[in-house]
Amino acid sequence: DAGVTQSPTHLIKTRGQQVTLRCSPKSGHDTVSWYQQALGQGPQFIFQYYEEEERQRGNFPDRFSGHQFPNYSSELNVNALLLGDSALYLCASGGAGAGDTQYFGPGTRLTVL
Amino acid sequence: EDQVTQSPEALRLQEGESSSLNCSYTVSGLRGLFWYRQDPGKGPEFLFTLYSAGEEKEKERLKATLTKKESFLHITAPKPEDSATYLCAAGDTGGFKTIFGAGTRLFVKA
Repeated sequence: DAGVTQSPTHLIKTRGQQVTLRCSPKSGHDTVSWYQQALGQGPQFIFQYYEEEERQRGNFPDRFSGHQFPNYSSELNVNALLLGDSALYLCASGGAGAGDTQYFGPGTRLTVL
Repeated sequence: EDQVTQSPEALRLQEGESSSLNCSYTVSGLRGLFWYRQDPGKGPEFLFTLYSAGEEKEKERLKATLTKKESFLHITAPKPEDSATYLCAAGDTGGFKTIFGAGTRLFVKA
């Protein structure tokens, strides 16, 4: 049983560019949440998707947007990249069969130059 | 405001030296208290979910406990492979957001 998968593993972009990160949830899960983790900090909640809709959002600007597909996979898009967007981006899945627990993927390391 | 605070920031133990990590949380209503282990450069690995004060859960050398304001992760006779960052997080019944603490970095020396 595959766990949560994310792609790509690493990504290097320059300021002002746009990036798309991808996530496939654990089998049987229907909810996907995205987090940003800066070095030495805990993960910060960006938003959560359920039934292809964003159902809650954290304190992140509109440059951060997302999408959930009918197969429950999800994308995180970040526009107009800033140096401060450099971080580990984590996807977590949960929902059906998982109760309130979320299971994390390995993350995508984004570096903005 | 919802908040999770972990202490200490870092903890250095000798192999076999038991200790506890602290997590203080403030949420309007607790949907769940979660503990994760994170190795450098990797995603957090789920350890425990606790729901109500007095609840305890164990896994190998780890035991998590919960009160109305705090949670503790007790590590009994740790081994070097227990070295990692331990993250605590709280979910609020008012929504779907999960708030994480900054973590405790644990170093266990052989």
